[in-house]
Amino acid sequence: RKEVEQDPGPFNVPEGATVAFNCTYSNSASQSFFWYRQDCRKEPKLLMSVYSSGNEDGRFTAQLNRASQYISLLIRDSKLSDSATYLCVVTWSDMRFGAGTRLTVKP
Amino acid sequence: NAGVTQTPKFQVLKTGQSMTLQCAQDMNHNSMYWYRQDPGMGLRLIYYSASEGTTDKGEVPNGYNVSRLNKREFSLRLESAAPSQTSVYFCASSEAPGPETQYFGPGTRLLVL
Repeated sequence: RKEVEQDPGPFNVPEGATVAFNCTYSNSASQSFFWYRQDCRKEPKLLMSVYSSGNEDGRFTAQLNRASQYISLLIRDSKLSDSATYLCVVTWSDMRFGAGTRLTVKP
Repeated sequence: NAGVTQTPKFQVLKTGQSMTLQCAQDMNHNSMYWYRQDPGMGLRLIYYSASEGTTDKGEVPNGYNVSRLNKREFSLRLESAAPSQTSVYFCASSEAPGPETQYFGPGTRLLVL
């Protein structure tokens, strides 16, 4: 089993749709959780941290479920500019990246 | 501020050749990292440097060496390139080691024939 697993997608959604990604992790001692965004042929960039109580940043909502060992990212009112690959990142002794979920938002 | 810079952007090597990937950051960060990214896999940590003067192995260190030249610069060396090292290499930095936000460079695309 991979340490950090994500559905690779692709998710193809129309503009304005709501889309959700899940990410599961294997190490129950994981300490911190993040979502990074990576545009095609570019470097990953931090989208948001994920806090135990859940957190929101505009149209993006991240949640953590420690008991079931997964985190989620919800994007509301999708924009064309949201098209990217979303990487789940989990840390214990170091950062472990999921392979990413590709999202394409279409007009 | 340039953030994290990497050179070269692209490189083609023949099996057995050597090369050094360069990385520099201007954010006064203490920690620096080298990752590789392959299709269908997450970024994997090759080596990291928690602070100037220290380096440690990550998940996939075999076939690589690193040098933390000073606080700004962290280089990755392939002594004898192999086709399995064809990948995209990212350098990153963070203020401190551990679960801190990491800032990535633009990457180096390496093809080993």
